[in-house]
Amino acid sequence: ILNVEQSPQSLHVQEGDSTNFTCSFPSSNFYALHWYRWETAKSPEALFVMTLNGDEKKKGRISATLNTKEGYSYLYIKGSQPEDSATYLCASLASGGSYIPTFGRGTSLIVHP
Amino acid sequence: EPEVTQTPSHQVTQMGQEVILRCVPISNHLYFYWYRQILGQKVEFLVSFYNNEISEKSEIFDDQFSVERPDGSNFTLKIRSTKLEDSAMYFCASSEGEGLIYGYTFGSGTRLTVV
Repeated sequence: ILNVEQSPQSLHVQEGDSTNFTCSFPSSNFYALHWYRWETAKSPEALFVMTLNGDEKKKGRISATLNTKEGYSYLYIKGSQPEDSATYLCASLASGGSYIPTFGRGTSLIVHP
Repeated sequence: EPEVTQTPSHQVTQMGQEVILRCVPISNHLYFYWYRQILGQKVEFLVSFYNNEISEKSEIFDDQFSVERPDGSNFTLKIRSTKLEDSAMYFCASSEGEGLIYGYTFGSGTRLTVV
């Protein structure tokens, strides 16, 4: 079982602030990393699937980077809006066995108007 | 946009009773999964299903659990004799490929409360 850690556990920011949070995962046998956005009472929604070291992906004001050698990924939100309030989950997949992703606990983001 | 649908959204059951949680995956997806999240804890993998059989299961998925795809569209999770510790949010997910590079599409979950 992979150890996937996310920090911080929760984050409160003001509308317009930019923010970022971290997902740490084992770098050995890395295969892929998923980021999901999970709003209350809705289903987790896939944001990014990242596989290559140095990958940077962007979706509107949200972007993510990946460092597979040191085992971390950052998720950035530029100019946070109240509708960005959600839990952001990362999940890491390793090669050489089960390809089932292991999830972190998530970072709960609350953006205050 | 295609969705994964789950029913019921909330189920309350007495300890020892059987429950069936239902999911309708996206129609052209081939891989199906059940996850759960106990309140305050991580999302945990239960089981994956491909080609009408279980392809992977976790240690949580013991003899009390079973999955079926009875009619080619529904994908069900059965818990034979529920325990208090089975109370959790159960998520169904599906993916086009093995989820490695596609990511999963999740349903909105069934909140199971065992009393």
